[in-house]
Amino acid sequence: ETGVTQTPRHLVMGMTNKKSLKCEQHLGHNAMYWYKQSAKKPLELMFVYSLEERVENNSVPSRFSPECPNSSHLFLHLHTLQPEDSALYLCASSQSFKGTGNTIYFGEGSWLTVV
Amino acid sequence: QKEVEQDPGPLSVPEGAIVSLNCTYSNSAFQYFMWYRQYSRKGPELLMYTYSSGNKEDGRFTAQVDKSSKYISLFIRDSQPSDSATYLCAMTRISNSGYALNFGKGTSLLVTP
Repeated sequence: ETGVTQTPRHLVMGMTNKKSLKCEQHLGHNAMYWYKQSAKKPLELMFVYSLEERVENNSVPSRFSPECPNSSHLFLHLHTLQPEDSALYLCASSQSFKGTGNTIYFGEGSWLTVV
Repeated sequence: QKEVEQDPGPLSVPEGAIVSLNCTYSNSAFQYFMWYRQYSRKGPELLMYTYSSGNKEDGRFTAQVDKSSKYISLFIRDSQPSDSATYLCAMTRISNSGYALNFGKGTSLLVTP
């Protein structure tokens, strides 16, 4: 079992649907992240949670809504997405968000296609 | 100017070659440098990390940091077809305020048998 698991691995949704991506980390880390990876672009940080508190929100549209109920679980709720939101969504965790503890470990990603 | 620059490639080399992958950066505050490997349709996997200038070796991989030139490299010796992947550099400041990683776009590597 990998340290960071994501479900579903693949998701196809219409623009009017509501769906959620789920992430669970088994590493005992205190920080969790959502990244977006699109072709030909660097990884884009979307959200950071440290000890279940959101500490960074990089101007992400409100159609993406994160939730962190505890330090092991992270969700990304999706609502009325656009075709340009199709991408690989990566969850990651790190020991902490501060100091030297922010080496991050990624999950396998959730491939999202918006039709 | 982007904070982290990385040539996307693709870079194609024959099996057994020495591979050199590079990134440049503009922020002199970066102190912590990482390399990730990403296979097709998989998440990035941490390969190596280093805090200081100089070389760090792990098996066939060597990470090199030159802070004076703002330049980092990853060398792969005796490259294998299984090394074919995209390699991402990442870097950040170390601070009690907390800073997220800055990633390059990734270099696509193909090692041919």
